[in-house]
Amino acid sequence: KAGVTQTPRYLIKTRGQQVTLSCSPISGHRSVSWYQQTPGQGLQFLFEYFSETQRNKGNFPGRFSGRQFSNSRSEMNVSTLELGDSALYLCASSSRLAGGSYEQYFGPGTRLTVT
Amino acid sequence: AQSVAQPEDQVNVAEGNPLTVKCTYSVSGNPYLFWYVQYPNRGLQFLLKYITGDNLVKGSYGFEAEFNKSQTSFHLKKPSALVSDSALYFCAVRDDGGSQGNLIFGKGTKLSVKP
Repeated sequence: KAGVTQTPRYLIKTRGQQVTLSCSPISGHRSVSWYQQTPGQGLQFLFEYFSETQRNKGNFPGRFSGRQFSNSRSEMNVSTLELGDSALYLCASSSRLAGGSYEQYFGPGTRLTVT
Repeated sequence: AQSVAQPEDQVNVAEGNPLTVKCTYSVSGNPYLFWYVQYPNRGLQFLLKYITGDNLVKGSYGFEAEFNKSQTSFHLKKPSALVSDSALYFCAVRDDGGSQGNLIFGKGTKLSVKP
């Protein structure tokens, strides 16, 4: 089956602009989560959505927001971009399987550069 | 507040030897614990997850992790290391007692397996 896809893969924006990143989960997965990875701060959790509802949330300012659609696709938006928002943004989709096990797959990420 | 620590920046192991990557955590409630691996040029991958139940959790690629409540540890182990296991490993913890479901990542441990 197709993996997690993220668009765009690369993006260059200017300080003060806003950006929207998109994530399409694996078919059948209803949970989508977002992460930020930078050399300085490492991996940080942004938020997780399940069936269009935000289920978990990280410690990011309100400039970072997300949503999930009825087809489980998700978007995250960053408004008023700052230089420090330059990062690799990763999306993952997950699902609980029959028998109680769990699977999660990450997308390749969107590399955002803020100038 | 929840926290997670990976005390070793790098672990070096000879191929065929057992490996351990250490992780300790601090939470106010009950922990949800995760291990992830990031291979060079292959993105982030989920290895395993502990929520409740058996203290020994089996994951992908022959890895397992042992939950030790008294020592607040969740060390990742593999009986026989492969050169292809060389990668960056991240431990993460979610506190079920609050923090909006934030997931905190460790700084990562670079595993190097030599032939």
